Amino acid sequence: QQQVKQSPQSLIVQKGGISIINCAYENTAFDYFPWYQQFPGKGPALLIAIRPDVSEKKEGRFTISFNKSAKQFSLHIMDSQPGDSATYFCASEGYSSASKIIFGSGTRLSIRP
Amino acid sequence: DVKVTQSSRYLVKRTGEKVFLECVQDMDHENMFWYRQDPGLGLRLIYFSYDVKMKEKGDIPEGYSVSREKKERFSLILESASTNQTSMYLCASSRVTSGTGELFFGEGSRLTVL
Repeated sequence: QQQVKQSPQSLIVQKGGISIINCAYENTAFDYFPWYQQFPGKGPALLIAIRPDVSEKKEGRFTISFNKSAKQFSLHIMDSQPGDSATYFCASEGYSSASKIIFGSGTRLSIRP
Repeated sequence: DVKVTQSSRYLVKRTGEKVFLECVQDMDHENMFWYRQDPGLGLRLIYFSYDVKMKEKGDIPEGYSVSREKKERFSLILESASTNQTSMYLCASSRVTSGTGELFFGEGSRLTVL
């Protein structure tokens, strides 16, 4: 089965710091790479996503960096805030295969005040 | 906003019991999914449905079945619950357009099997 490897499993960052979560995928047919954010007691929700035709996408303090040749992508959270404390899942999906989205194992992020 | 509602947030069942987890979405989405979430394993797809009465197995369908009699409702059934099915179960829906990857999740049903 195709995998998406996510690291680290947990991360503690000081308030105001940069949080970085990394993912690597195997299937070159993947062409959509979303990140989901899950707060305790809630379901995951789409945070930001990127397609491989760009190397970076930024939305506010959240940035996805994408390296197609290395088959890696990462989430950067700038000026991390306590409200960013959540579990983050990366995912990969191929076109016309919405049912085959593959999730990473998740990263539990804690931002210390 | 899309709303996906899972009727049971917490359930405690005994080994061998039949368990029904219900999910309803209100945005007329074609696709509906059941995932299982376990620490360190991410989200694993159990079953999905792309239309009424249609279903396909995901990555871990063993021990589960599903029912989709109406477009807005997708049920997960554990015919005979076992302790290794203790987990968080997440229902999700998406539009028929594929390739967007945007899943809308419910808040989850935490099942404990004793």
